[in-house]
Amino acid sequence: EVQLVESGGGLVQPGGSLRLSCVVSGFTFSNYWMHWFRHVPGMGPMWVARIKGDGTMIRYADFVKGRFTISRDNAKNMLYLEMNSLRAEDTAVYSCARGGNLFDAWGQGTPVTVLS
Amino acid sequence: DIQMTQSPSTLSASVGDRVTITCRAGQDISRWLAWYQQKPGKGPKLLIYDASTLEGGVPSRFSGSGFGTEFTLTISSLQPDDFATYYCQQYNSYSPYTFGQGTKLEIK
Repeated sequence: EVQLVESGGGLVQPGGSLRLSCVVSGFTFSNYWMHWFRHVPGMGPMWVARIKGDGTMIRYADFVKGRFTISRDNAKNMLYLEMNSLRAEDTAVYSCARGGNLFDAWGQGTPVTVLS
Repeated sequence: DIQMTQSPSTLSASVGDRVTITCRAGQDISRWLAWYQQKPGKGPKLLIYDASTLEGGVPSRFSGSGFGTEFTLTISSLQPDDFATYYCQQYNSYSPYTFGQGTKLEIK
C-alpha cells in the first residue's frame, strides 16, 4: 500500500524556521517526482515545490522562492521541506504528494501556524 | 500563474441525480486538466486527467469534457460515496500547477 506521512509542523513565530518531513512507503521512491503543497480552508491545494526522483529539476512557487528548500534522501525514503523566514501567510496544512504533473498519492498533511 | 475558477462553489443534490461542475481556466490550457475528489481528513484522489481520461479504478459514472478554457466534470448518477469536495487542476507546461477553489457537493 502506498503511504505518505508528514511530520514536523507546529507553531512558530514570524521570521522563524521549520523543517517538514515526509516518509513514504509502498513504492520505489527514487522513481518518482515529489511535491509539497499547502492547504488553506476554502481554497484549493496550492503547489509549493517539486523535485525529480534523482534530486534534480527543483522548482518553487514564487511566493516561497528564496525562503523554502525542498530536498530528498532516497536511501531513507524521505522528502523534506526546509522553511525559513516564515510569515503569517505561510500558515496552512502542508502535504507531500507523488507524481509528475498529476498527483496520484497524497499524505494527510502537517499543520504549520505562524503567529507572534 | 493561470487562474482556475470553479462553479458552483457548493452544490446540493440527491442520490441518483446527474450533476455537472464547471472549471474555467484564465488562459488556453489545451487538454491539460485534471479533476480530484477530496474527503475530510484525506488527500485528494485523482479522478480524471487530460480533461477526459478516467484514472484506473474510478467508476464510469464520472466523466470529463472540455478543451482550451472551459471544462466540465459530470457525475451521471450520484452515489452516497460521491459527496465530497471536487477540484480541478491545470498542468500547462509553462506555468506552476494551479487548482480551482473547489466545489463542495452536499446531500440535499
